[in-house]
Amino acid sequence: ELKVEQNPLFLSMQEGKNYTIYCNYSTTSDRLYWYRQDPGKSLESLFVLLSNGAVKQEGRLMASLDTKARLSTLHITAAVHDLSATYFCAVDLVEGGSEKLVFGKGTKLTVNP
Amino acid sequence: KAGVTQTPRYLIKTRGQQVTLSCSPISGHRSVSWYQQTPGQGLQFLFEYFSETQRNKGNFPGRFSGRQFSNSRSEMNVSTLELGDSALYLCASSLVLRSSSYEQYFGPGTRLTVT
Repeated sequence: ELKVEQNPLFLSMQEGKNYTIYCNYSTTSDRLYWYRQDPGKSLESLFVLLSNGAVKQEGRLMASLDTKARLSTLHITAAVHDLSATYFCAVDLVEGGSEKLVFGKGTKLTVNP
Repeated sequence: KAGVTQTPRYLIKTRGQQVTLSCSPISGHRSVSWYQQTPGQGLQFLFEYFSETQRNKGNFPGRFSGRQFSNSRSEMNVSTLELGDSALYLCASSLVLRSSSYEQYFGPGTRLTVT
């Protein structure tokens, strides 16, 4: 059974600081996703990581994937209040020709002024 | 291009009742997946439909069922509702080409409250 673990689960940081969220998963997968969710809202896709060594950046967020270590990171640079949200990583699991996403528990990020 | 749409957005039901939720995928997407999100269990996969066939099912009781129509629209049904079924139900659609699935796009969700 594929397990996806995120840490930390809660993160409170000051504006302007840097931090990294970690996502470990237990079995081989070709794809890993990062999503953002604001309270009461749906999931907004941030990054799709498709191969070992993949690195993607958008604004103050950068995601990377190490498939050998089964580890993905989401790095936040110079945080701003607007980044406050819950961030999920999800790993693509292929079963019998069908795919499903297995999610981590999420990291609730609060950026304080 | 219109995104994934879900109806209704909010629903309040009583224990023992049944409910049907609807999802219209992005045009051209033939795979529809459903997920349940609760504070305790997080995001969990319910089932996936492709070309009107259920291809995968998560670990949920038989009270949870679904179907997909020829236009790729999907419905999920929960019978004999329990308090624990209160959740945000998310639908996601994806493109499937030559047996390969692509990124899933999520709809706005249906917030179900069971009282």
